[in-house]
Amino acid sequence: QVTLKESGPALVKPTQTLTLTCTLSGFSLSTGTMRVNWIRQPPGKALEWLAMIDWDDYKFYRTSLKTRLTISKDTSKNQVVLTMTKMDPIDTATYYCARGGDTYAFLLDSWGQGTLVTVSS
Amino acid sequence: EIVLTQSPGTLSSSPGERVTLSCRASQSVPNNNLAWYQQKPGQASRLLIYGASIRATGIPDRFSGSGSGTDFTLTIGRLESEDFAMYYCQHYASSPTFGQGTKVEIK
Repeated sequence: QVTLKESGPALVKPTQTLTLTCTLSGFSLSTGTMRVNWIRQPPGKALEWLAMIDWDDYKFYRTSLKTRLTISKDTSKNQVVLTMTKMDPIDTATYYCARGGDTYAFLLDSWGQGTLVTVSS
Repeated sequence: EIVLTQSPGTLSSSPGERVTLSCRASQSVPNNNLAWYQQKPGQASRLLIYGASIRATGIPDRFSGSGSGTDFTLTIGRLESEDFAMYYCQHYASSPTFGQGTKVEIK
């Protein structure tokens, strides 16, 4: 059974760096064609795709946030980590990780339940 | 970037009814790479439809997708209680985007 679980701080202060971890189960990023994406959703608003990493360590970022985002993987722990610098209250959102398809990297066939991150002083 | 506009914002309906959700793209979606997802509070989102009309694994056949180019539709043939949720369309070509969602609520 494929599952993904997000973890990280519930509260961060403005200007701080956010670090989120996605723990994978039922599949491995060391397996060819596997991808993991991060998506966020501000309260009451639409989903916004953020970043993707694949089994070969290829990375792709949302253009408008590229300078603030870093995605990485730890295959030994079967985890994907997303960092976002210079957090602002507008970054308050539920952050999700999701598995990308083997043919289409951004087709999200399994999702985590998400973790709510609030940015406030 | 392709902008996806979903309508209506909220759809009030009763169990057993047929509902149709719309997703309109600002430009043609390459290869009809358009997906639909279901989202419920506290649960993992679920992929329903991809390729505009292909049901994902395990999705009941009361869910169907259609359309091409810039106009796409998700139809739920007969609403069941577990279908009351938010629904999002997404194009999954490069620089993926989502629509703003349609809430299907109980009338």
